[in-house]
Amino acid sequence: DGGITQSPKYLFRKEGQNVTLSCEQNLNHDAMYWYRQDPGQGLRLIYYSQIVNDFQKGDIAEGYSVSREKKESFPLTVTSAQKNPTAFYLCASRTSGTNTGELFFGEGSRLTVL
Amino acid sequence: AQSVAQPEDQVNVAEGNPLTVKCTYSVSGNPYLFWYVQYPNRGLQFLLKYITGDNLVKGSYGFEAEFNKSQTSFHLKKPSALVSDSALYFCAVRGRGSSNTGKLIFGQGTTLQVKP
Repeated sequence: DGGITQSPKYLFRKEGQNVTLSCEQNLNHDAMYWYRQDPGQGLRLIYYSQIVNDFQKGDIAEGYSVSREKKESFPLTVTSAQKNPTAFYLCASRTSGTNTGELFFGEGSRLTVL
Repeated sequence: AQSVAQPEDQVNVAEGNPLTVKCTYSVSGNPYLFWYVQYPNRGLQFLLKYITGDNLVKGSYGFEAEFNKSQTSFHLKKPSALVSDSALYFCAVRGRGSSNTGKLIFGQGTTLQVKP
């Protein structure tokens, strides 16, 4: 079935370590997005990519990095520079060419910094 | 700047009663509006969207939403609530325009609690 796969589902990290969250989609979507979810704050955009080999910062990009080497993949690295990384991370994608399309979301990755 | 407000952190309703989850937005020009639902530790599931045309939009699981341009609102409704509707609901907006990146701006979410 087509969809978005995020891994791992749960991740624990020690302070000072970088971690990479995986996001893979087989929907043939051009655009991909990373959101961060914190209780009571909704979803905030970290990075997005509208095409392979191109990506832009969202509203809270500091302490994060991404790559988009393949259409199917958009991994997110949470670096040690991110001051408060404990959160639920959601990857999404949509078909481009029209602005009317909804985002399709993965099941999320919960990162806890110990 | 684009923004979405969901004025209620939580809505409580009895099973079988109608429910409304409120959403207001601020965006230049005409918006695209979306509702999503999230169950604990899961991703967001799309419910419905308003693009153009009829102000009453019907979506998944019996939900509907009414676009009101004068009040800049897009409230989610269901005629008869189910216990299984208990979840976190998000309203989102996307502005129109050639420079749009397709990103959605989300409200902070409203927890719906349906009691038997």
